[in-house]
Amino acid sequence: EVQVVESGGGLVQPGGSLRLSCAASGFTFSIHWMHWVRQAPGKGLVWVSVIMTDVSSAVYADSVKGRFTISRDNAKNTLYLQMNSLRAEDTAVYYCARGGMGSGLDYWGQGTLVTVSS
Amino acid sequence: DIVMTQTPLSSPVTLGQPASISCRSSQSLVHSDGNTYLNWLQQRPGQPPRLLIYKISNRFSGVPDRFSGSGAGTDFTLKISRVEAEDVGVYYCTQATHFPYTFGQGTKLEIK
Repeated sequence: EVQVVESGGGLVQPGGSLRLSCAASGFTFSIHWMHWVRQAPGKGLVWVSVIMTDVSSAVYADSVKGRFTISRDNAKNTLYLQMNSLRAEDTAVYYCARGGMGSGLDYWGQGTLVTVSS
Repeated sequence: DIVMTQTPLSSPVTLGQPASISCRSSQSLVHSDGNTYLNWLQQRPGQPPRLLIYKISNRFSGVPDRFSGSGAGTDFTLKISRVEAEDVGVYYCTQATHFPYTFGQGTKLEIK
């Protein structure tokens, strides 16, 4: 069974840092693009970043470029999101999602809540 | 960025009746590889999103056949042939043709 499970969310002060993790199982992690998508409370979905199978290839939304870094460890089947210089507007549930082979963002985790507040 | 515009934003439906959601993109979603990466997601209350339809009209694994997708270019539609109680939630169209991936505002499906 394909599963992705996020962790690492919590309360952080503005300007602070947080590292999210996403543990994957049930599929060959290394051959899939992996994404982060976020959802502010009561709002819609916003795509954040993707890392391709080539671990050095990543794309970011303009709103997080230069502050967030996506990475992956294929040996550990784990995706990461390092978030620095956090702002109140980064407050959201962060979802990890698998990029399917032509099937879009096909499996999503339950999400982890990040709250940026003093 | 490509803007995805959904209509309606709210859809009250009677159980057993059909429902339809439209999605329009600000640019063509035809990829250079010839595919159109327009997908539909369902988000039930308190749940993460779930993939329903990919590449316009392909139902994802386990999705009931009462869900169908159609369209081309910039205009797309999700149809539910007979709404069931478990279909309540928010539906999003999303494009994965161009970076950044973008989502529609969401359409809230509720039972009358």
